[in-house]
Amino acid sequence: GENVEQHPSTLSVQEGDSAVIKCTYSDSASNYFPWYKQELGKGPQLIIDIRSNVGEKKDQRIAVTLNKTAKHFSLHITETQPEDSAVYFCAAPTPYQKVTFGTGTKLQVIP
Amino acid sequence: SAVISQKPSRDICQRGTSLTIQCQVDSQVTMMFWYRQQPGQSLTLIATANQGSEATYESGFVIDKFPISRPNLTFSTLTVSNMSPEDSSIYLCSGGLAGDTYNEQFFGPGTRLTVL
Repeated sequence: GENVEQHPSTLSVQEGDSAVIKCTYSDSASNYFPWYKQELGKGPQLIIDIRSNVGEKKDQRIAVTLNKTAKHFSLHITETQPEDSAVYFCAAPTPYQKVTFGTGTKLQVIP
Repeated sequence: SAVISQKPSRDICQRGTSLTIQCQVDSQVTMMFWYRQQPGQSLTLIATANQGSEATYESGFVIDKFPISRPNLTFSTLTVSNMSPEDSSIYLCSGGLAGDTYNEQFFGPGTRLTVL
């Protein structure tokens, strides 16, 4: 089955700086990679995703890049703000329409 | 996207009792799943809720402990049976529209369960 590794487990940045979270996956056939943001006391929220036919996708201050050869994908947050503080999870698909989640990254944006 | 609600949002239960969690989706979805999330941990899939038939459970989870129903495309329940303190966790349901080879999932707010 799919194995997803996520780094770092915690990340602290100054407000306005950029944050990068990286994930690697094992199944070369995987073709869809979502990122979720989970705020304290809430369920995960899908914030961006990328399909395998593109190498990068942007949505305002967030972007995701995909390197299929190396089997890794990354979340980039620019101009971080305190409200970006949360736990972020990457995921990759597994058979029968399921997904496997990474271990999570706790991002703290320091004002 | 889909908006997903869960009831109850939290509960404190006594050992040996059972709790049923409800999940409602605002639009028809193909897939519904139930997850468990221990504090500070990632999400672990419990089972896939299948409409009108028995749920498909992941390794380590059994129907007697976590019976699941899905009577229609927009509603599902998860029961945590004969609870012990080890069952204290956040339980999340998700729904999504299955694509050819991927599943875009949307999550409910979760049910925070404490077992005493």
